[in-house]
Order: sequence, then structure tokens, then C-alpha cells
Amino acid sequence: AQSVSQHNHHVILSEAASLELGCNYSYGGTVNLFWYVQYPGQHLQLLLKYFSGDPLVKGIKGFEAEFIKSKFSFNLRKPSVQWSDTAEYFCAVNGNTDKLIFGTGTRLQVFP
Amino acid sequence: NAGVTQTPKFRILKIGQSMTLQCTQDMNHNYMYWYRQDPGMGLKLIYYSVGAGITDKGEVPNGYNVSRSTTEDFPLRLELAAPSQTSVYFCASSFEGRNIQYFGAGTRLSVL
Repeated sequence: AQSVSQHNHHVILSEAASLELGCNYSYGGTVNLFWYVQYPGQHLQLLLKYFSGDPLVKGIKGFEAEFIKSKFSFNLRKPSVQWSDTAEYFCAVNGNTDKLIFGTGTRLQVFP
Repeated sequence: NAGVTQTPKFRILKIGQSMTLQCTQDMNHNYMYWYRQDPGMGLKLIYYSVGAGITDKGEVPNGYNVSRSTTEDFPLRLELAAPSQTSVYFCASSFEGRNIQYFGAGTRLSVL
């Protein structure tokens, strides 16, 4: 069965610090990969996606993620976080089905 | 653009009561999904639909029912509410299965 692991459950950073959130998945075939963000009290929004092509993808608000097929990873990065990045971040994977498998999420708190 | 609209936003039920969570999308998407979100657990798929008249179970379907009579609407029914169904419910839609999902604002349900 497909699964997604997010290693960091809760991350606390100061503004301007760099961010990297880990995401690993278990599926050996072609995958579509997503990062969604949920700001406090809001619904999930797409941050970025990877379907094919350049494994380094850029999303909204300065976020980027790198697909490393050999490591089954799709880590999310941002060079300098802001207080407004405080949110919960979910990695998700489509394997060979129509279903999207979500990780358990990483709660990011950024302090001024 | 309304996107995906869920009603109600909040609801408190007594054990054994029934209710329907409404979900409507105006993007002419074929695929629609119902998820529940519990703290630290990510999103779990309850049911999904690939088009009008077609529904299928997700990871956690027990205690729920769905129908899809039109492309736009995908209601979720709880027949005999139980405390274990206390959660936040999100509806989502996508144009096709392995593509970006767009989420509604969620319904926060408490069963007491």
C-alpha cells in the first residue's frame, strides 16, 4: 500500500531562518507529488506540485521542493521563513490510483 | 469563483442523530472526495466519486454514506452519529483523478 511519511511533526523557527520539511513516500512507480498548506482556521491550499520534468519545483510564497526519485523523497524548502508562514504543511502522493495519500502533516510555528 | 462550498461550517450532534454534510462545486470537476481530518493524523479519505452516479469507498468509510446524483453535488451522510465521528470534514474536487484537488472550507462536527 502507498504511504507518505513526514518526519517533522512540529517545527519552531524564528523569522528569517531556513526551512526544510521532510517527505518520503513508498511507491515504486510513477508518482504525482504535492505539498498543501493549511493556514490557521482555513482550508487546504496547493503550495506546489510535481508531475514530471525538472525535479526542482517552485511554488507560491517562495517555497520550493525537490523530487529525488532514488530517495523516494519530496522535501519542502524555503530559504527565509516569515511569521505568515505559520501553518500546517501536508505532503501528498498520487501513485497508480485516483486517491491522494496524505502524510500526517507538519505544524510550523514561526516567531518574530 | 465559489469553488468548493461546504455547509454547514459547524455542527453539534447528539449520539445517534443523523445529518448530511453538503458539498457543491462549480468547476465542472468530475472527481469529488470526502476527507476527515483528525489532529496528528493528516487527512483520511472517506469516500470519493469519479462522476455522477459512481462512488467508491476510501480508507475510512464505516459509518458514512454518499451519493452523487449530479456533477456538482456530493453530500456525505452520517446515519447514526458516534463520538468517534467528531472531526473536521473536508470536501475536495479535481478535474481528473491524479491532479490538483481543490478543497472546501470544512465542516467542524462534534458528536456528544
